Amino acid sequence: GDSVTQMEGPVTLSEEAFLTINCTYTATGYPSLFWYVQYPGEGLQLLLKATKADDKGSNKGFEATYRKETTSFHLEKGSVQVSDSAVYFCALMKGKLIFGQGTELSVKP
Amino acid sequence: EAGVVQSPRYKIIEKKQPVAFWCNPISGHNTLYWYRQNLGQGPELLIRYENEEAVDDSQLPKDRFSAERLKGVDSTLKIQPAELGDSAVYLCASSLDPPDTQYFGPGTRLTVL
Repeated sequence: GDSVTQMEGPVTLSEEAFLTINCTYTATGYPSLFWYVQYPGEGLQLLLKATKADDKGSNKGFEATYRKETTSFHLEKGSVQVSDSAVYFCALMKGKLIFGQGTELSVKP
Repeated sequence: EAGVVQSPRYKIIEKKQPVAFWCNPISGHNTLYWYRQNLGQGPELLIRYENEEAVDDSQLPKDRFSAERLKGVDSTLKIQPAELGDSAVYLCASSLDPPDTQYFGPGTRLTVL
């Protein structure tokens, strides 16, 4: 069935480091892809999305490109801040959102 | 514009007790979702409503879980009786139309003792 796999966390980085969180998916067709972020004590917030192959979603310095050939949607940011510390979820849409297990990011000053 | 509202935020109950969660979606959103998020996992869909109709409840444990969305606006999710394994965060989300972007509420954290 349809599924999403994310790199395991926690990921610990120093402020201003480069971030990559890997996400691959298995699905028939070409689903829309999403990254959601969950800050401590808060609900899920949409970070970015891409609806077709080669689309690049971007928001708040984060980017992810929909790669059909590798079935991937890796999240990147050039310079992380302490305030980016959160859990990041990759998801695909096939009538419903199917989430990965989440990757916890901790950014140290 | 107000976001998705859920209450209560936290609930602690003894096993075998009933519990209910309430959700008010973003105004004008006709699609409403209930998800369950176990610790360290991503959310999993329990039920999806389009207006008043439950169009996907295949993952809802119907022996103990029930949901309703009267008048196609707010919704209630109930568990009766609760079991230890029901401890989780219950998230509500809404969207204008699937597969449009879903907006999530803060969730209700349920602890069953």
